[in-house]
Amino acid sequence: ETGVTQSPTHLIKTRGQQVTLRCSSQSGHNTVSWYQQALGQGPQFIFQYYREEENGRGNFPPRFSGLQFPNYSSELNVNALELDDSALYLCASSARTGGTTDTQYFGPGTRLTVL
Amino acid sequence: DAKTTQPNSMESNEEEPVHLPCNHSTISGTDYIHWYRQLPSQGPEYVIHGLTSNVNNRMASLAIAEDRKSSTLILHRATLRDAAVYYCILREGGGDKLIFGTGTRLQVFP
Repeated sequence: ETGVTQSPTHLIKTRGQQVTLRCSSQSGHNTVSWYQQALGQGPQFIFQYYREEENGRGNFPPRFSGLQFPNYSSELNVNALELDDSALYLCASSARTGGTTDTQYFGPGTRLTVL
Repeated sequence: DAKTTQPNSMESNEEEPVHLPCNHSTISGTDYIHWYRQLPSQGPEYVIHGLTSNVNNRMASLAIAEDRKSSTLILHRATLRDAAVYYCILREGGGDKLIFGTGTRLQVFP
C-alpha cells in the first residue's frame, strides 16, 4: 500500500509568483485536505476536497485554490505569493463514506520559501 | 472550534513510561479526541483516537477522564524515536478539519 506522497519536496519562489503543489492520496482514499504549517506552529487547515469539489475551507484568502482529480490526487495553487506564505504545506488523505471522514494520513510536506 | 491545552514541553528517559496530558474543558458530546505526533522534518503521524472509553493500539494508550474534560496519551516505554511534537486535537464526529494547537515537544534522553 502506497502512502501519501507530495511533490516537490522543496521549492523557492519570489514574491508575486504563482506556485502549484501536488499530492497523491493513499490507496483507497477519496478525500484530500491541505494544511499550512509555519515554522514553530501547528498545521492550519486550508481546505478539503471530496469528489473533486471543495468541501470545507479554513481562514485563507481566495488566492489559495485547489483541484482534485478523478484519481483523487490533488493540487494546491497559490497566486501572488507573499513572504508570509513561506511554510511547510501538508497534504492529508482520508476515506469519506456517507457524511463521515475517517482518520487523516499526512504526506511529508512541501517546504515553500518565498523570497 | 473546541480548544485543547497542552504543556509546551516534556522530558523522559529512554525505556520509561511517558504520560502526555491534554485539557479540553469545552469538549462537546460528539467531539472525538485525536492524537498525532510530528517527528522532525516529517508530516504529522496519526497515533490514536477515542470518544469515551480508554483505547489501546500498538503505538500508545489513550486514557480519557470520565467527564471527558481531559485525556492522557501514554507511551509505555519511550524510545529515542518517540522524540516528537505531540498534538492533542478535538474533532467533531465526522468533521472534516483538524484544529492543531502548538502541541507538546517530547524530548527523550538515553
